[in-house]
Amino acid sequence: DAGVTQSPTHLIKTRGQQVTLRCSPKSGHDTVSWYQQALGQGPQFIFQYYEEEERQRGNFPDRFSGHQFPNYSSELNVNALLLGDSALYLCASSRGTAYSNQPQHFGDGTRLSIL
Amino acid sequence: EDQVTQSPEALRLQEGESSSLNCSYTVSGLRGLFWYRQDPGKGPEFLFTLYSAGEEKEKERLKATLTKKESFLHITAPKPEDSATYLCAVQAIGSSNTGKLIFGQGTTLQVKP
Repeated sequence: DAGVTQSPTHLIKTRGQQVTLRCSPKSGHDTVSWYQQALGQGPQFIFQYYEEEERQRGNFPDRFSGHQFPNYSSELNVNALLLGDSALYLCASSRGTAYSNQPQHFGDGTRLSIL
Repeated sequence: EDQVTQSPEALRLQEGESSSLNCSYTVSGLRGLFWYRQDPGKGPEFLFTLYSAGEEKEKERLKATLTKKESFLHITAPKPEDSATYLCAVQAIGSSNTGKLIFGQGTTLQVKP
């Protein structure tokens, strides 16, 4: 049973560039959430997708956008990259409606470095 | 504002030395409290969910408990392989809260042989 998979594993970009990160949820899961984790900190919620719609958004600027596809996989896009965007980007999936309190299962993340 | 605070930030134990990690939270209403383990370079691994005060969950050397204001993760007779960062997260009740997790900063545990 495959867990949450994310690609790429590592990515190096320069300021001002754009990046797309990808996530495939765990089998049977239909809800995908994205988090940003700075070094030494807990993950910070970016947004959540359910039924191909953004259901909730954290305190992140519009440079951060996403998409969910009919097969429940998801993308995170970040435009006009800043040095402060360097972090581990985590995707988590869960089952049920967007109001479910079922546990979220995480992938191993994409390590994004901005030069 | 919903908030989660974990203590201590770092903990060093000798193998076999039992201890507890604390997670204090303030939310308007609790939908669930979650414990995760995170190894370096990896994503958080789900450990437990607690939904109401008084609830307890156990898994091997770990036991999680919940009160109305905090949760404890008790580690009994730890082994070096228990070394990791332990994250606590809460999910709040509310029409605007569709499931986001609010995390603490984590407790980094090191168990020495």
